[in-house]
Amino acid sequence: NAGVTQTPKFQVLKTGQSMTLQCAQDMNHNSMYWYRQDPGMGLRLIYYSASEGTTDKGEVPNGYNVSRLNKREFSLRLESAAPSQTSVYFCASQGSTDTQYFGPGTRLTVL
Amino acid sequence: GNSVTQMEGPVTLSEEAFLTINCTYTATGYPSLFWYVQYPGEGLQLLLKATKADDKGSNKGFEATYRKETTSFHLEKGSVQVSDSAVYFCALNPGNQGGKLIFGQGTELSVKP
Repeated sequence: NAGVTQTPKFQVLKTGQSMTLQCAQDMNHNSMYWYRQDPGMGLRLIYYSASEGTTDKGEVPNGYNVSRLNKREFSLRLESAAPSQTSVYFCASQGSTDTQYFGPGTRLTVL
Repeated sequence: GNSVTQMEGPVTLSEEAFLTINCTYTATGYPSLFWYVQYPGEGLQLLLKATKADDKGSNKGFEATYRKETTSFHLEKGSVQVSDSAVYFCALNPGNQGGKLIFGQGTELSVKP
C-alpha cells in the first residue's frame, strides 16, 4: 500500500517558470490537501479539496492553482514561480476519520 | 480565530531524559488535537491524537492530555531515545471546516547518546 505519493521529490526553477506538483493517494479518501512548510512557520494550507470536483482556498493560495483530477489525484500548479515560493510542499489525504496522511514532500527551489 | 503555539526549539536532551514539549491552542468550539512527527527527510506521521476534553492520546511511549481548562496539549515521554530525534508538530482540527488542520511552528528535538 503506497499511501500518498508525490512527484517530483526535488525541483529547481527559475523565476517565471511554471510547473505542476503531482499527488496521488490509494486509500480511497475523499479529502486532499496541499501544504507548504517553511522554517519556523509550521505547515500552512494552500488549497484543499473536500471531495472530487470541489476545491477551496486555504490560508496562502496566492500564486497557486489546483486541480482535483479524480478521487485519487490532486495537483498543484505554479503558473509563474517566484523566489517566495521556495519551500517544501506536502500533499495529504483524509478519509472518514480526522487523521491526515502525508506524502514525502517536494523540495522546491526558485532562483 | 484558531491558532496553535508550541515551545520554541531546538530542544537537546540526553538519552533517557524526560521530555516535555508545550503546546497551547486557541479555538472556537470543540477542536480535535494532534501531535505529528517528522523524521529527517520524510513527511509527517500522526503520533497521537485526542478528540475531546480530558482524553489522553498515547503512542510509542509518548502521551498528551487534552486540557480544556488550560487550552493545552503538552507532549511528554518519560525516557527519550536517539531514534526520537525529529520535529514535532502540534495541530488542531477546528471541526466543520473541511478537515483543515492548523499547525504550530514545530519543535525540533535532538537526543544525544
